[in-house]
Amino acid sequence: DAKTTQPPSMDCAEGRAANLPCNHSTISGNEYVYWYRQIHSQGPQYIIHGLKNNETNEMASLIITEDRKSSTLILPHATLRDTAVYYCIVTRGVLVQGAQKLVFGQGTRLTINP
Amino acid sequence: DAGITQSPRHKVTETGTPVTLRCHQTENHRYMYWYRQDPGHGLRLIHYSYGVKDTDKGEVSDGYSVSRSKTEDFLLTLESATSSQTSVYFCAISDSSDYEQYFGPGTRLTVT
Repeated sequence: DAKTTQPPSMDCAEGRAANLPCNHSTISGNEYVYWYRQIHSQGPQYIIHGLKNNETNEMASLIITEDRKSSTLILPHATLRDTAVYYCIVTRGVLVQGAQKLVFGQGTRLTINP
Repeated sequence: DAGITQSPRHKVTETGTPVTLRCHQTENHRYMYWYRQDPGHGLRLIHYSYGVKDTDKGEVSDGYSVSRSKTEDFLLTLESATSSQTSVYFCAISDSSDYEQYFGPGTRLTVT
């Protein structure tokens, strides 16, 4: 699985867009980019994933560069409840019988300030 | 939210005692996973299951065993708990290798 690099921490004002970068320069052609977040003491929560194209859902947008070596997660209107650790995971790691391998790094601690 | 629960949510036990953690799902998902989370290490995969009675090891499986006798239940057993197994344990489920994993609320285990 490709290694990812994320800033350890970021701050964002409430109501503004939060843009979280992730570098994955060794990504291979069949590896997906996943984003999860973990709010304090809770289990990780899936946000979004993509392969090549930009993706959007009700939570966020994922922008993947054309060369796929980096991506940005965008929370369009951050709220205090978005304060969490955000994990960028690059994987096509398939285990036995199609089980999925996720490798969590240290992530980015995003703090939304009022 | 995916129907996934873990029990107990908190447990304190002594070194050398056996401990079983339970993960229960109501989603009928095929895959189930056990992770542990420790400061400085992120989440690490312990064991996973790809069907009833079908399990395999993850990256940190030493000292742990698992069982899955029903689709909905995945048990993690520490045969003889050690202080190094003090951690927060998360269960996750998924329906496909390309789909997201849904995580449970976690079990905080302290081994004294």
